[in-house]
Amino acid sequence: QKEVEQDPGPLSVPEGAIVSLNCTYSNSAFQYFMWYRQYSRKGPELLMYTYSSGNKEDGRFTAQVDKSSKYISLFIRDSQPSDSATYLCAMSGGAGNMLTFGGGTRLMVKP
Amino acid sequence: SAVISQKPSRDICQRGTSLTIQCQVDSQVTMMFWYRQQPGQSLTLIATANQGSEATYESGFVIDKFPISRPNLTFSTLTVSNMSPEDSSIYLCSARVPQNTEAFFGQGTRLTVV
Repeated sequence: QKEVEQDPGPLSVPEGAIVSLNCTYSNSAFQYFMWYRQYSRKGPELLMYTYSSGNKEDGRFTAQVDKSSKYISLFIRDSQPSDSATYLCAMSGGAGNMLTFGGGTRLMVKP
Repeated sequence: SAVISQKPSRDICQRGTSLTIQCQVDSQVTMMFWYRQQPGQSLTLIATANQGSEATYESGFVIDKFPISRPNLTFSTLTVSNMSPEDSSIYLCSARVPQNTEAFFGQGTRLTVV
């Protein structure tokens, strides 16, 4: 079993839909959670960064962490075709710890 | 945050040759990393580049195949040695700024070995 599980998709939604992307993890030591967006042929771009449990909002993006369930989510409101990319979750136990990545979910937003 | 410049962005190489990938960060960073990403796959950590000492390699990766240099706090190189077609992949440089946990990435080097 992988430490971080993420549905690979692809997830196809119409423009304007609310998108929910999720990761589950098994290591209870993880405290820092990140979401990256990766366009084709580009490096991963940091989207959201949260510490411990709770929600964090940035524009159309909301990151949610539920440590009791070992489950994190990224919500995208009013999705746009430009949101079409692969979304990777990543997590760490601390500043000196390695990041553990999920496998990525490919999202397609259709006009 | 940190801006990371990586070059070359892509290359096609003959088997048996070596390629050195350069990574430049616009600020001093404590930790630099090299990842490999196969098409459609997630990131696999190759090694942590340590300033002033040897890199720390992950299981399955060895220094003879992937020598790494890190002469200062803003620059690192990864060499892919004696390449074979199995080395065809995207190689990514990453850095973490002091006191922070999040990592930033370069644009990647798309390597094809023929």
